[in-house]
Amino acid sequence: DTAVSQTPKYLVTQMGNDKSIKCEQNLGHDTMYWYKQDSKKFLKIMFSYNNKELIINETVPNRFSPKSPDKAHLNLHINSLELGDSAVYFCASSQEAGQGLVNTQYFGPGTRLTVL
Amino acid sequence: AQTVTQSQPEMSVQEAETVTLSCTYDTSESNYYLFWYKQPPSRQMILVIRQEAYKQQNATENRFSVNFQKAAKSFSLKISDSQLGDTAMYFCAFMKRYAGGTSYGKLTFGQGTILTVHP
Repeated sequence: DTAVSQTPKYLVTQMGNDKSIKCEQNLGHDTMYWYKQDSKKFLKIMFSYNNKELIINETVPNRFSPKSPDKAHLNLHINSLELGDSAVYFCASSQEAGQGLVNTQYFGPGTRLTVL
Repeated sequence: AQTVTQSQPEMSVQEAETVTLSCTYDTSESNYYLFWYKQPPSRQMILVIRQEAYKQQNATENRFSVNFQKAAKSFSLKISDSQLGDTAMYFCAFMKRYAGGTSYGKLTFGQGTILTVHP
């Protein structure tokens, strides 16, 4: 059973195009995230949504826009793709934990985006 | 802002032996969580172990254990009886614990350590 899924797994596109990556989780979690892993394998958070509300928005270009239609989905839309956007994008989800409990994030399989 | 440093870009170990991966972090927070994630060649990010900073006891998960030194801001991962399937990139990560105990916050990752287990 897939817990956090992403589509597509691979995406190759030309500079200037607009593309979307979809993420779905069936864990019943209320918080979802997007991370970017660059060519040196460094992982950095981009966005986080809790119950469809944006709660974390790191310094990310306006060309990146997350959209959460419901708690189980968090999509990432990228406009005017640039060469530097080539990376692996990970979606993750977690359940807001109460006092004393750890919020553990579970990751999707990643989407490798290549911009030519 | 928090920073996480993994000073060992690559490590190798023989099967069945023990290896320790280092991680240090810098933060002014007193309440936080620490994690080790594993990323095998399949690219999937897999949680290995986690530690609450307010707990003095080191976390253990089967062959994986941590040495958490809060004063030194050190969080190393020990893998005992290494197996070929442990070959992966290992990431140390930090998460701030917000007031009230909630923590839907961001993970700050280290640069990663590539671990190769040799037969």
